[in-house]
Amino acid sequence: GAGVSQSPSNKVTEKGKDVELRCDPISGHTALYWYRQSLGQGLEFLIYFQGNSAPDKSGLPSDRFSAERTGGSVSTLTIQRTQQEDSAVYLCASSLQGTYGYTFGSGTRLTVV
Amino acid sequence: AQSVTQLDSQVPVFEEAPVELRCNYSSSVSVYLFWYVQYPNQGLQLLLKYLSGSTLVKGINGFEAEFNKSQTSFHLRKPSVHISDTAEYFCAFSGGSYIPTFGRGTSLIVHP
Repeated sequence: GAGVSQSPSNKVTEKGKDVELRCDPISGHTALYWYRQSLGQGLEFLIYFQGNSAPDKSGLPSDRFSAERTGGSVSTLTIQRTQQEDSAVYLCASSLQGTYGYTFGSGTRLTVV
Repeated sequence: AQSVTQLDSQVPVFEEAPVELRCNYSSSVSVYLFWYVQYPNQGLQLLLKYLSGSTLVKGINGFEAEFNKSQTSFHLRKPSVHISDTAEYFCAFSGGSYIPTFGRGTSLIVHP
């Protein structure tokens, strides 16, 4: 597509439920990144994909967080047993391999109640 | 460790005044530097980037930034701001990997 698409744009979930956040990168972009943006905290790196593999998962905050990417395209970030501290905006970005041109999606605002 | 520091969390300024948003980085390798803008309820949009070459980089919307290696800085400037420039601004860098590290952001508030 023309840009990075994220869905849903907003998600309200009850504490303890699982959620899935989707990112559809720009066609042909082999690198994909997930960030978390909490109020006043800037952007926190979560995970990086090159193709379907994730060479860097160092930012995932706990084992409740996981992500996958299929077909070198769509990525899903899953949060199990959500907690209130998971409330944040989750941003996805993509880029061509070996370049520094990152394009961000509009994000998913997750609210855990 | 590599890090980015945005020295001001909030910068208020009057319309048509000049503005500078400060950014300092810490890295022992070559760096590639970026400024992004985020309008309310939107994703991040690239304003400008420094990869190599001239240390003065011009971006969109009249913004520019200067890479200063000796001061490890990449401050963002605009000679005359508009109300529409009110937004959150993020400095970021990539050094040694393709994963950008972001600062905490500076909220630019333009008053009429």
